[in-house]
This record gives sequence, C-alpha cells and structure tokens, in this order.
Amino acid sequence: GAGVSQSPSNKVTEKGKDVELRCDPISGHTALYWYRQSLGQGLEFLIYFQGNSAPDKSGLPSDRFSAERTGGSVSTLTIQRTQQEDSAVYLCASSRTGGFNQPQHFGDGTRLSIL
Amino acid sequence: AQSVTQLDSHVSVSEGTPVLLRCNYSSSYSPSLFWYVQHPNKGLQLLLKYTSAATLVKGINGFEAEFKKSETSFHLTKPTAHMSDEAEYFCVVPYIGSSNTGKLIFGQGTTLQVKP
Repeated sequence: GAGVSQSPSNKVTEKGKDVELRCDPISGHTALYWYRQSLGQGLEFLIYFQGNSAPDKSGLPSDRFSAERTGGSVSTLTIQRTQQEDSAVYLCASSRTGGFNQPQHFGDGTRLSIL
Repeated sequence: AQSVTQLDSHVSVSEGTPVLLRCNYSSSYSPSLFWYVQHPNKGLQLLLKYTSAATLVKGINGFEAEFKKSETSFHLTKPTAHMSDEAEYFCVVPYIGSSNTGKLIFGQGTTLQVKP
C-alpha cells in the first residue's frame, strides 16, 4: 500500500521567507509525527498529532514553527521568517495509533535549504 | 528519562563478514526499543523492535538484536554483510512520560560502510 508521502522533496528558499511542508500519512493512521534531522543535532522530535489535535508540541524550537492537521489526515508544517539554522531534513512519520509500542512509518523527508 | 547511546559513529566491515552495531539504553522502565535504517536521501525504515516478548528479536534483511537487561544493551547484528547494507542505523527508544505519545528518542546514528 501507499506509504507516507512528503512534499516537496527539496526546498530552497531565501532567509526570511515562509515555507510550508506537507505530509500525507498512511491511510487510517491516527498518529502523525514531525521530526527534524540536522547535522549538528541529529534527529529531534518536533510535534505529535492524534487525529487533528496536537497534544505534544514540546519539540517545536520557536514560535516561528507551527503545524496543523486537517481531516485527521494531511499535515502541514509551517516555518515563518526562515533562518539559516532551519536548514535540515524534515521527516514525517505516522503510526496506526499513538503509543510507545507502535512502529512509526517514515516518509522520505523534505530537504530544506535556507540561503 | 529515556536515552540511547550508540557507541560507534562509524563502522566499516568487509562484504561477507559479520556486522555488529552497538547500542546502550537508559530507562527507568522496561523499555521498548527499535532499530531503524536510513539509506541515503530516504526516510527511516524499521528493522526490528523489542517489546519484552522475547529478548532475541529478528528483523528484516537478516538483522537481529538481543536485549540484555544486565548490560542495558541492544546491539544489532548480522552474520554476513552485503553492499546493500551500507546505510545509517539508528537505535531508538520511545519517550515514556505523563502522556503516552510514542514520540521517539534517537541515538546519534552509526554509519555502516561495507567494503567489497
């Protein structure tokens, strides 16, 4: 079946611009996660959705970062006024339900480069 | 708090020889533990998971891992390395706190190089 789909696969933008990253999870998966992968920090959790609500936003690094999920499906991660330190690969994952025993299925990521 | 430490940032083996990627964990609970693999420009793929049912866990592509509570280790092994195994490998533990969200805590990763 279809896996987790992320778009765009690559995004290059100028410092100060806003960007939107999209994630389409596996159909029927209620849990959705965003992670960031950067050279200096490794893989870090950003935000968790259960359905349309986000009970855990603890990983968002600043108020320039926000995310939403609509219809219990597609999620968008928005970064406002981008900075060079935002350059990273943004990974989305989904699981059937939330919880520590559920394996997460990852998309191929969006590689974001801030000039 | 939960954490994982991957003891080697880079491992190099010859094709056809065994692979050992080392991971130690820290957790106040009997943890779940995962190994994920990431090939270049790809997302992460689950190799195997430990959830206390059996200490020796078999995964995909011939990989297996053994949970050793006395050593707080969860090392990943494979008897015979193939060129296609070249990738980055992550040892992962789910965060367990007041809310059971399942967010993952990643080790720093081990890059596996397989020489012909």
